Amino acid sequence: KQEVTQIPAALSVPEGENLVLNCSFTDSAIYNLQWFRQDPGKGLTSLLLIQSSQREQTSGRLNASLDKSSGRSTLYIAASQPGDSATYLCAVTQAAGGTSYGKLTFGQGTILTVHP
Amino acid sequence: AAGVIQSPRHLIKEKRETATLKCYPIPRHDTVYWYQQGPGQDPQFLISFYEKMQSDKGSIPDRFSAQQFSDYHSELNMSSLELGDSALYFCASSLDMAVNTEAFFGQGTRLTVV
Repeated sequence: KQEVTQIPAALSVPEGENLVLNCSFTDSAIYNLQWFRQDPGKGLTSLLLIQSSQREQTSGRLNASLDKSSGRSTLYIAASQPGDSATYLCAVTQAAGGTSYGKLTFGQGTILTVHP
Repeated sequence: AAGVIQSPRHLIKEKRETATLKCYPIPRHDTVYWYQQGPGQDPQFLISFYEKMQSDKGSIPDRFSAQQFSDYHSELNMSSLELGDSALYFCASSLDMAVNTEAFFGQGTRLTVV
C-alpha cells in the first residue's frame, strides 16, 4: 500500500526566504506526482504536476523535482511571501498492473507560515 | 476557465439523515473522483467514475453510494449519517483515465453532522 510522507509537518519562515518542502513515497511505481496548495477550510489548488518520466517542473517561483527511483520529491519556493502561507500537499497517482485509475494518495501536508 | 463545481458548499444535517452532494466536472472531462477530508487529515479517496461506470473504489462506507450521469455530473449519496461523517468532501475531474492528466479539484462541500 502506497504511503506518502511529508516533512516538515510545519514550517515558519520570514518573508523573502527560499524554502524546500519534502515529500517521500514508499512505492516508486507511480505515474505522476502533484503538489497542491490548500488554504484553511478551502479547496485544493493544483500547483505543479510532474509525470513519472520527468525530473522537474517549474511555475513562477515554484520548482518541483522528482526522483522516482528513490521515492522523493521536493517543492522549492523562492523568495517566499506572506501570501504563500497555506498547507502544501503532495499526492501520487499509483500504477497498478499497468493501469491506473487516476486516484491520488496524499501526504499529510506541510503547514507553511511566512511572516512579514 | 470553467472549474469543477460542487454543490452545496455547506450542508448541516442531523444524525441518521441523508445527504446528497453534487459535482459538475470541467467540460469534456469524463472522469470524476470523490475524496473525504476529515479535520486535520489528508484527503482520502472514496470512489471514482469513468464514462458513467465505477472505475475504482476506496474507503467508502456501505452507507454511501455514488453515480455518474449521462452529462458526466456525479452525485454522492450519504445515508444514516454519523457524527464522524463530518468532513470536507471534494470532487475532482480529469480528462479520461489516462494517468498523466492533471486532476482538478472543486472547492468542496463542508458537511457538518449534528
